[in-house]
Amino acid sequence: EAQVTQNPRYLITVTGKKLTVTCSQNMNHEYMSWYRQDPGLGLRQIYYSMNVEVTDKGDVPEGYKVSRKEKRNFPLILESPSPNQTSLYFCATSYGGPVDTQYFGPGTRLTVL
Amino acid sequence: AQRVTQPEKLLSVFKGAPVELKCNYSYSGSPELFWYVQYSRQRLQLLLRHISRESIKGFTADLNKGETSFHLKKPFAQEEDSAMYYCAPVEWGQNFVFGPGTRLSVLP
Repeated sequence: EAQVTQNPRYLITVTGKKLTVTCSQNMNHEYMSWYRQDPGLGLRQIYYSMNVEVTDKGDVPEGYKVSRKEKRNFPLILESPSPNQTSLYFCATSYGGPVDTQYFGPGTRLTVL
Repeated sequence: AQRVTQPEKLLSVFKGAPVELKCNYSYSGSPELFWYVQYSRQRLQLLLRHISRESIKGFTADLNKGETSFHLKKPFAQEEDSAMYYCAPVEWGQNFVFGPGTRLSVLP
């Protein structure tokens, strides 16, 4: 079954404690991206990756890092989380890049105290 | 700069009534146009893509290049259509930008 998975689904942490949210896909898609969803602001792109070892900033990259060492995984890293990074995070993938249909993960709800 | 607007944050209609969710964009080129939907407690999923010209769950979307709009329409709303709807015009070489979303509430 084609799927995009994220872990963890829920996370409560404290300011400054490094964390990683994983994203994995089994559809052999080259394009992967991360979004955060906040009330009243909709979805905003954090980082994206066109292929292995190729990553680039989206609209709101500050405070985040990503890596793409293999095609199926695209982890989102918060080196020193702050309360303003409390949000709902979605990973998405597509076959043909940003202009192709995006397939979304189930979301990760992060709370930074 | 790219800009996507969905003027209604919340749209409430009665079951069986027509519904139109508006989307306006200001792009320099000819973007690919998508509508995504998020039902309660579910992940976002594609509802409709302009290039495929499909009608999904009774929804259609009309592209007006002159007005740069891509409004989503359905002639008879159903309660299960209640969800968040996001318009997403996308161009190569530009960051992926979603509109702010419209929450559709279909009342019984």
